[in-house]
Formats: sequence, C-alpha cells, structure tokens
Amino acid sequence: EVQLVESGGGLLQPGGSLRLSCAASGFTFSSFWMHWVRQAPGQGPVWVSHIGRDGTYTEYADSVRGRFTISRDNARNTLYLQMNSLRVEDTAVYYCVRDLYGRDDFWGQGNLVTVSS
Amino acid sequence: EIVLTQSPLSLPVTPGEPASISCSSSESLLRSNGRSYLSWYLQKPGQSPQILIYVASNRASGVPDRFSGSGSGTDFTLQISRVEAEDVGVYYCMQGQRTPYTFGQGTKLEIK
Repeated sequence: EVQLVESGGGLLQPGGSLRLSCAASGFTFSSFWMHWVRQAPGQGPVWVSHIGRDGTYTEYADSVRGRFTISRDNARNTLYLQMNSLRVEDTAVYYCVRDLYGRDDFWGQGNLVTVSS
Repeated sequence: EIVLTQSPLSLPVTPGEPASISCSSSESLLRSNGRSYLSWYLQKPGQSPQILIYVASNRASGVPDRFSGSGSGTDFTLQISRVEAEDVGVYYCMQGQRTPYTFGQGTKLEIK
C-alpha cells in the first residue's frame, strides 16, 4: 500500500523555522519526482516546490524561493521541506505529493503549519 | 504564470443527472508530444485532493468510468455522466505545462 506520511508541523511565531518530513512507503521512492503543495484554510491548493529523482534538480514558487529548501534522502525514503523566515501567510496544510499531475499522482494526508504571533 | 479559470464555481446536481465543469487556460497546455498537461482533482470534505484525470483525458487508476475528461490546448471539460452522492466536494483543474504549476479556483459540487 502506497503511503506518504507528513510530520513536523505545528504552531510557531513569524520569523521562525520548521522542517517538514514526509515518509514514503509502498513504492520505489527514488523513481519519482516529489512535490510539496500547500493549502491555506478555505483556499485552493498552491504548488510550493518539487525535486527530481536524485535530488539534484529543484524548483520553487516565487513566494517561498530563498526561504524554503526541498531535499530528499532516497536511502531513508524521506522528503523534506526546510522552512525559514516563516510568515503569517505561510499558514497552511502542507501536502507531500508523488508524481503531481501524472498517472501515479498520490497525496499524503497533509500537515498543518500555523504561523501566528 | 498560467491562470486557470473554472466555471461554474458552484454546481448543484440531482443524483443520477449529468454534470460538467469547464477549465480555461491563459496559455496553451499542449506540448510538442501532442499531450495537454491538464489534470482534474476532487477534494472530498476533510480529505486530501485525489486525481481523477491526467493529461486531459486519461482516467486515473480506480476512478469510476462515469468521470471523463476532454479538451486540448486552452479549453478543457470534466464530465460526470451520472452524479452520485459520493461525488460531492470541490473539483480543481491543474496545469503541469510549466512551473509554477497552478490550480483553478475550484468548483463546489453539491447534491440537490
């Protein structure tokens, strides 16, 4: 059974840092591009970042570039999102997604990050 | 960035009746391979989005055949041949043509 389990979310103040993790199982993790997508309360999904199969290629949305870093550890079957200089507008449920928009598209259950003073 | 515009934004449907959602793109989603990189998702209440259709017209694994996708270039349609109660939720189109990947505003389907 394919599983993507996000963890690491929580409540923090503006300017803080957090690292999200996504543990993958049930498939060959190293064979897929992986993505982070977020969804603010009551809003639609927004793509945040993606990373290539071996971790050497990454891209970011303008809103997070320079503050967020995506990475992966294929030996541990884990995807990461390091989030620095967090803002109130970063408040959202963060989803880990396999093969976004493709045949093998699969989303985790999501992890809530709340940035508030 | 590519903007996707969905219509309608609200869709009340009687069970057993058909339903249709449109998605219009500000740029062509057609690649040189002849495929349009437009996907459709359903987000049921309290759940993560789940893919229904990829590359405009391909039904994802496990998706009932009452769901179908059509279109190419800039104009796309999701059709449900006979709506069932379990189809309620918000439907999103999404483009994978180029980054930043973007989603439509969403169409909320409800049962009359």
